[in-house]
Amino acid sequence: EAGVAQSPRYKIIEKRQSVAFWCNPISGHATLYWYQQILGQGPKLLIQFQNNGVVDDSQLPKDRFSAERLKGVDSTLKIQPAKLEDSAVYLCASRYEGELFFGEGSRLTVL
Amino acid sequence: KNEVEQSPQNLTAQEGEFITINCSYSVGISALHWLQQHPGGGIVSLFMLSSGKKKHGRLIATINIQEKHSSLHITASHPRDSAVYICAVRRSYNTDKLIFGTGTRLQVFP
Repeated sequence: EAGVAQSPRYKIIEKRQSVAFWCNPISGHATLYWYQQILGQGPKLLIQFQNNGVVDDSQLPKDRFSAERLKGVDSTLKIQPAKLEDSAVYLCASRYEGELFFGEGSRLTVL
Repeated sequence: KNEVEQSPQNLTAQEGEFITINCSYSVGISALHWLQQHPGGGIVSLFMLSSGKKKHGRLIATINIQEKHSSLHITASHPRDSAVYICAVRRSYNTDKLIFGTGTRLQVFP
């Protein structure tokens, strides 16, 4: 069974630039999460989708972050414009029958 | 105070040692997850527990719902076990939301 796919694995940008991350969850997994993990901290939920609907985006900085899951399958997370404090690993995860499946993460460095 | 606390924050061990990582939580939960994160890597789910004990290879996870406490044990530790181990709980009234601990960094030396 293929896992959760994420790309790119690494991205370096300058502040005020934009960046987009892509996630393809495991086929059939309706619930998809985007987490932000700053070095030394636990993951922080940014947004949760159930199929193509948003369940929770209360911690998403909506002035600069956006996410979509148009067909209820893959998802993109965009940051525009990026700030230095956005440097983190962005993790995508899907859930099926309570079990969690994480991608390898996308490491963002903002200079 | 964090709703999920892990101890210790950092742990070093010699190969072959028995290791215990603890997780305490202060909210009502429907499930608890133990996760493993290697440096630069993604997160792998090790266990999902709602009661009792689970075993997978050299890993054992236990949970005491009354005491709001869970432990992850590694028997016969190996350098490849070196990773960050994260405890995460699913609230009993909002089963979609996970609360994460800050992790325990384990280093096993040969």
